[in-house]
Amino acid sequence: GQQLNQSPQSMFIQEGEDVSMNCTSSSIFNTWLWYKQEPGEGPVLLIALYKAGELTSNGRLTAQFGITRKDSFLNISASIPSDVGIYFCAGQYNFNKFYFGSGTKLNVKP
Amino acid sequence: DSGVTQTPKHLITATGQRVTLRCSPRSGDLSVYWYQQSLDQGLQFLIQYYNGEERAKGNILERFSAQQFPDLHSELNLSSLELGDSALYFCASSARAFPDTQYFGPGTRLTVL
Repeated sequence: GQQLNQSPQSMFIQEGEDVSMNCTSSSIFNTWLWYKQEPGEGPVLLIALYKAGELTSNGRLTAQFGITRKDSFLNISASIPSDVGIYFCAGQYNFNKFYFGSGTKLNVKP
Repeated sequence: DSGVTQTPKHLITATGQRVTLRCSPRSGDLSVYWYQQSLDQGLQFLIQYYNGEERAKGNILERFSAQQFPDLHSELNLSSLELGDSALYFCASSARAFPDTQYFGPGTRLTVL
């Protein structure tokens, strides 16, 4: 079956550092999405990617849809304490399937 | 604010009981998805409705059911509740039939005692 691998599982970084996380799949995805979830809240959509090679920014966040369509990464530059949360990748595959990654838990030390 | 609303925000009930969770999608969205998230777990897809019809099913228990009404709001019914059903239940909506960019509601936290 389809597997969506997200890494790293967790990160502990210092405020001001840059962060990078990624997701890989065994199948070609049509859409890659990145969400952030804070404790007790619903996931909030950060960036949506629809084309292979697409690079999209949202403030200090940048995400890319991999050329092979089997991966995506999310970078956060100059991290701040409010970046703390769990970041999920998600993707649509085969037009009828939607999967979430297991999440990357980000901790930022002031 | 995603535009997706869910009620109630919190629900505390006893084992064996039945509850109904409600979701209103974003204006114009025809698809509604339900997810379950247990403590420190990822999002488990339960079921999707599109324009009133069941579209896709995930790991939904037989004790759980859902429906989408003509005004596009959706309800998730959980019956014969067990302790293990305690979780956050999220609703998401998207514009089209096939799973696409989904916007999530704030969730309902269900506690079964």
